[in-house]
Amino acid sequence: SQTIHQWPATLVQPVGSPLSLECTVEGTSNPNLYWYRQAAGRGLQLLFYSVGIGQISSEVPQNLSASRPQDRQFILSSKKLLLSDSGFYLCAWRGPSGAGEQYFGPGTRLTVT
Amino acid sequence: QQQVKQSPQSLIVQKGGIPIINCAYENTAFDYFPWYQQFPGKGPALLIAIRPDVSEKKEGRFTISFNKSAKQFSLHIMDSQPGDSATYFCAASITTSGTYKYIFGTGTRLKVLA
Repeated sequence: SQTIHQWPATLVQPVGSPLSLECTVEGTSNPNLYWYRQAAGRGLQLLFYSVGIGQISSEVPQNLSASRPQDRQFILSSKKLLLSDSGFYLCAWRGPSGAGEQYFGPGTRLTVT
Repeated sequence: QQQVKQSPQSLIVQKGGIPIINCAYENTAFDYFPWYQQFPGKGPALLIAIRPDVSEKKEGRFTISFNKSAKQFSLHIMDSQPGDSATYFCAASITTSGTYKYIFGTGTRLKVLA
């Protein structure tokens, strides 16, 4: 069965520091991968998605970037964090030939101080 | 046109009641409509989903009703239990650039009283 992992689970970083969040998927090949951000008490904002290694589509111009160095690995990065980057970051995957189902990871709670 | 409007924002029902959460969309290119359940501090979990060629889908106590002409869909939770207390999100997806892109509603916080 498929499993999605995210780490770290929680992170407290000062303003101006770099960021690297990692997401990996097990039990599937060539998944479509997604990064979302959820502000406190709010909906999910799609940040990036990827259909394959090295292929990244950005939805919202901002302080963040994404990379996909391996088939089942998706990384969210920032060179300099802003206070507004605080939130709950969720990685999700969808099988390449699936009916449309998207599955989420456990999330990373990021607090920028 | 890419928005999905969800209501109500919050909902309180008694145990055994049938909470109903509604969503509306504009873009007729959306072709897949999932609902997610999220508990505090956890990632959303896929609950049930429907395609626009079906008017109703039931899985256990959860039912989606879909009205294609009105561009609306809703989630009904039968015999609701305190354990159903969570935030529920509707979504709509569209195929673009070889993948599905998902647009989420703003969420409904449900509380089921014992």
